[in-house]
Amino acid sequence: GAGVSQSPRYKVAKRGQDVALRCDPISGHVSLFWYQQALGQGPEFLTYFQNEAQLDKSGLPSDRFFAERPEGSVSTLKIQRTQQEDSAVYLCASSLGEGTSNEQFFGPGTRLTVL
Amino acid sequence: QKEVEQDPGPLSVPEGAIVSLNCTYSNSAFQYFMWYRQYSRKGPELLMYTYSSGNKEDGRFTAQVDKSSKYISLFIRDSQPSDSATYLCAMRTSGTYKYIFGTGTRLKVLA
Repeated sequence: GAGVSQSPRYKVAKRGQDVALRCDPISGHVSLFWYQQALGQGPEFLTYFQNEAQLDKSGLPSDRFFAERPEGSVSTLKIQRTQQEDSAVYLCASSLGEGTSNEQFFGPGTRLTVL
Repeated sequence: QKEVEQDPGPLSVPEGAIVSLNCTYSNSAFQYFMWYRQYSRKGPELLMYTYSSGNKEDGRFTAQVDKSSKYISLFIRDSQPSDSATYLCAMRTSGTYKYIFGTGTRLKVLA
């Protein structure tokens, strides 16, 4: 597949559990973004990677959220000690160039439900 | 007040109608303006982007930016049931990569 893929597509967690969400960007894409989309809202920026470097993590809501992209391709968003307010769709997007290029390709998202 | 405001809808129109979708914003430094379409349970896909003020046309879609009024629009001509989706505006300042999205407008085109 040539698009951005995310796994799992759906995740149900009990409050307090740790979760890990995976993003496979389009091969060769330099930039990778994570967004959080609450129900009925637009995506909200979480963090940005340029290759393996995390250049901006200002959107991460708390220190329970952690993202990595160790080899500059696959990225993982980890949420520790999940809370009900973490329930949302987590979207990953990649783009070919550095972050100022306009075309981001989004994955289908991971829908996280915290009970 | 949010940086980007967008009426959530839903907006229902008959097939063939011209649809007008709008966003207002407060940050005069925004220079890049995007429109995304998002189908249910899918990620957003880029429809149009414009730089600074002016119009851009692509097929049935026209994007307009009025920086003096801090107002952007997306027009869809000859709307089709397959256009039924949520339309998100997004914008950013020059030299940054942080996109600010609107809440999205849900559009229904009735056959």
